[in-house]
Parts: sequence; C-alpha cells; structure tokens
Amino acid sequence: DQQVKQNSPSLSVQEGRISILNCDYTNSMFDYFLWYKKYPAEGPTFLISISSIKDKNEDGRFTVFLNKSAKHLSLHIVPSQPGDSAVYFCAANQGGSEKLVFGKGTKLTVNP
Amino acid sequence: EPEVTQTPSHQVTQMGQEVILRCVPISNHLYFYWYRQILGQKVEFLVSFYNNEISEKSEIFDDQFSVERPDGSNFTLKIRSTKLEDSAMYFCASSENGRTTGELFFGEGSRLTVL
Repeated sequence: DQQVKQNSPSLSVQEGRISILNCDYTNSMFDYFLWYKKYPAEGPTFLISISSIKDKNEDGRFTVFLNKSAKHLSLHIVPSQPGDSAVYFCAANQGGSEKLVFGKGTKLTVNP
Repeated sequence: EPEVTQTPSHQVTQMGQEVILRCVPISNHLYFYWYRQILGQKVEFLVSFYNNEISEKSEIFDDQFSVERPDGSNFTLKIRSTKLEDSAMYFCASSENGRTTGELFFGEGSRLTVL
C-alpha cells in the first residue's frame, strides 16, 4: 500500500538554504494533507497542513504547496536551521475517515 | 504545554503473552488514536476512538487487539496474544476536533519487543 510516497529517504542542506521535501500520492480522494516532524525517541509533531481547496499554506519558515493535478505536495523550509534536522513525514486524509496515511519519511540534515 | 503521555516507554514480552499499553491523552481532547511503526517502515493507523467506541479501525486491528477508556483519563491498547510481528513502536495520539483536519498530538511512543 503506497498511497503516499516520499521517494527521497534523506536530504542534506546547508544552514540558511532552502529545504524542499517532496511527497506524492495516488488516492485522488485525499482532501487534506499534513506534514509532521519527528525527532529520535519522540512522537511525530504536527508542522503544517493544507486542504485540497488550496494550493499553498504558509506558517513562518514553513510553506506547503499542493499540486492536485500532479498529486504532489512539497514542504519548503526557508531558511533551514540545524534544529530542523529530523525525519519529516507527509500524511494524507480522506474525508469521512479518521485515518492518516503516512509516507515513509525523509530524513533532513541541516549542516551548520 | 499539554502533552500526550504513554507508558511504558519500552516493554519486552514473550510471544503469546498479553500486553497493555497505556496513554493519557490531552484532557480536553475527544478523539483518540493508536498508530504503530515497525522498524524501518511507515507509521500505520490502527484505530480511532470517539464517544467511548471505536470509530474506525484498520485491517491490522484484528481480534487480538482491543482498546478501552477505563476512566476519564486513560486510553489503553491491549494485545491479547503477542506475535513476533507485533514488535513495533506504538504511538497514541489525541485530537480536539477529530477527522484529523485538526492537529493530532502524538505521545512519545511505547516500544514493544516480542521475543
């Protein structure tokens, strides 16, 4: 079951630069998308979300872009900071369901 | 800041034994969830719980699993007869609004090792 795919297992960027994390989905019934961040030995922490009626949502350094026709979303972090180093999970939800479907995650390393 | 707490942080058990994982959700939240992550794999939905009953469950959540809210604060996941493949990190989560369009707050997880 690969309804949500994060094809890059890891990403390394320099401090101050932009981090772009990508996510693809196959289920066109998904109507809400979320990004979670996870540090080792901790649970996932909600970062930002976007409804399918929007194509962009911004919160401080974090922006999520949604391209419905391509079934693709991305998370931009600008500027990246060493404290952003974590595993980032993309997740999707279908209206009427309580279930979040997660991707496998992308490990982001921000180098000082 | 309010948080979801889980106990134990790590439990080791023999195959066939019963295990209960405990969670204290955030006090004003109404929707409760269990997810699990097998090492190296995705975080997977197990079950959601609202108004003292299961609202949704995945195909993973078979008869060996059960959930309960025995009092006003705890939310438990019971595995009746553990199997080797139940070894995973189990995450409890809670939400104020449900339908996961609101923020889902996760606990730190309970690592279950079945020998």
